[in-house]
Amino acid sequence: SQQGEEDPQALSIQEGENATMNCSYKTSINNLQWYRQNSGRGLVHLILIRSNEREKHSGRLRVTLDTSKKSSSLLITASRAADTASYFCATDAGDSNYQLIWGAGTKLIIKP
Amino acid sequence: SQTIHQWPATLVQPVGSPLSLECTVEGTSNPNLYWYRQAAGRGLQLLFYSVGIGQISSEVPQNLSASRPQDRQFILSSKKLLLSDSGFYLCAWSEGESSYNEQFFGPGTRLTVL
Repeated sequence: SQQGEEDPQALSIQEGENATMNCSYKTSINNLQWYRQNSGRGLVHLILIRSNEREKHSGRLRVTLDTSKKSSSLLITASRAADTASYFCATDAGDSNYQLIWGAGTKLIIKP
Repeated sequence: SQTIHQWPATLVQPVGSPLSLECTVEGTSNPNLYWYRQAAGRGLQLLFYSVGIGQISSEVPQNLSASRPQDRQFILSSKKLLLSDSGFYLCAWSEGESSYNEQFFGPGTRLTVL
């Protein structure tokens, strides 16, 4: 079953603008991860944020986590055409140390 | 460094034919292994996962089966494909002892059943 829900489902912005994607989840988590998928390819891990962290940075990426609202956001600053991809959030499955529960993803298009 | 191989990249099969997709991981021992299916424009559906040789957990009842004959080999199979088996199949692995479960994905197999 899917726990994470990303919004928007699709986002189209101009190169250089910032892109913000959101993820909501339903149950308690230990960590939340964001992945990127280029069209027709496998997923690539971007960043992991633990439940006791509120914000994390990696290059042009900034992830926030609000456990009281059960939500996370991924901000990509100064977007580039190469950032065009689908972005997925995934949470641990709580009682399972092996599984991730995935959202449906946000399709991001950066217009040059 | 660790690498994951998945093949073939694309596959077109007739309804009722068998299927065998193979995934191998290099550079790690006793990984957790996963098979996912992704419908067009959708998220990932976990099909099977394995925490060790011969140990397979199925998440969704379906026309598919999985096997792990060796530590770093994971095979997805079907005896008779259905039209609904079409999709993008992804293999992934994670560290067996990690509590964070970051997953590393193969390039995927695009399966079209006609």
